[in-house]
Amino acid sequence: EAQVTQNPRYLITVTGKKLTVTCSQNMNHEYMSWYRQDPGLGLRQIYYSMNVEVTDKGDVPEGYKVSRKEKRNFPLILESPSPNQTSLYFCASSFAGTELLTFFGQGTRLTVV
Amino acid sequence: GQQVMQIPQYQHVQEGEDFTTYCNSSTTLSNIQWYKQRPGGHPVFLIQLVKSGEVKKQKRLTFQFGEAKKNSSLHITATQTTDVGTYFCAGRHTGTASKLTFGTGTRLQVTL
Repeated sequence: EAQVTQNPRYLITVTGKKLTVTCSQNMNHEYMSWYRQDPGLGLRQIYYSMNVEVTDKGDVPEGYKVSRKEKRNFPLILESPSPNQTSLYFCASSFAGTELLTFFGQGTRLTVV
Repeated sequence: GQQVMQIPQYQHVQEGEDFTTYCNSSTTLSNIQWYKQRPGGHPVFLIQLVKSGEVKKQKRLTFQFGEAKKNSSLHITATQTTDVGTYFCAGRHTGTASKLTFGTGTRLQVTL
């Protein structure tokens, strides 16, 4: 089954404790991205990757890191989480290009206390 | 920067009433997509519009792309409780390759 898998689905952590949210897709997609969703703000892009070893900042990259060592995986790293990073995070993937739909993971609800 | 605004932010209708959400971009879009997110779920692709003035229908849903390719709308005829959720438009601005810019979303509540 074609899917984007995120882990964990829920996470509560403390300020400053490094964490990683994993994302994996099985569709051989070139393009992967991370979004955060906050009430009234919609989905805002954090980082995206056009292919292996190619990453770039989205609209709200501060406080986040990503890596793309393999085509299928695109982890999101919070080196020192802060309460303003409490949010619902989605990983997404698609084939590169302008005409193709995006598949989303199930989401990770992160709370930083 | 490139923005996509969506209105209204929230709408509550009675089952059987119609519903429309509007999406406006600050710059020309190469295409626009629409997604639906059920409560507690993730965004799911509904449709993509590419051509200027394009209109597409999916059962009770009608999607339009403006002539100038800067705005779009989603109209639901005779809403049902299964239509509940948040509807997002997402546009690709000309020259930005695969990057999708999402609208702020419209949350639809349908009651009997």
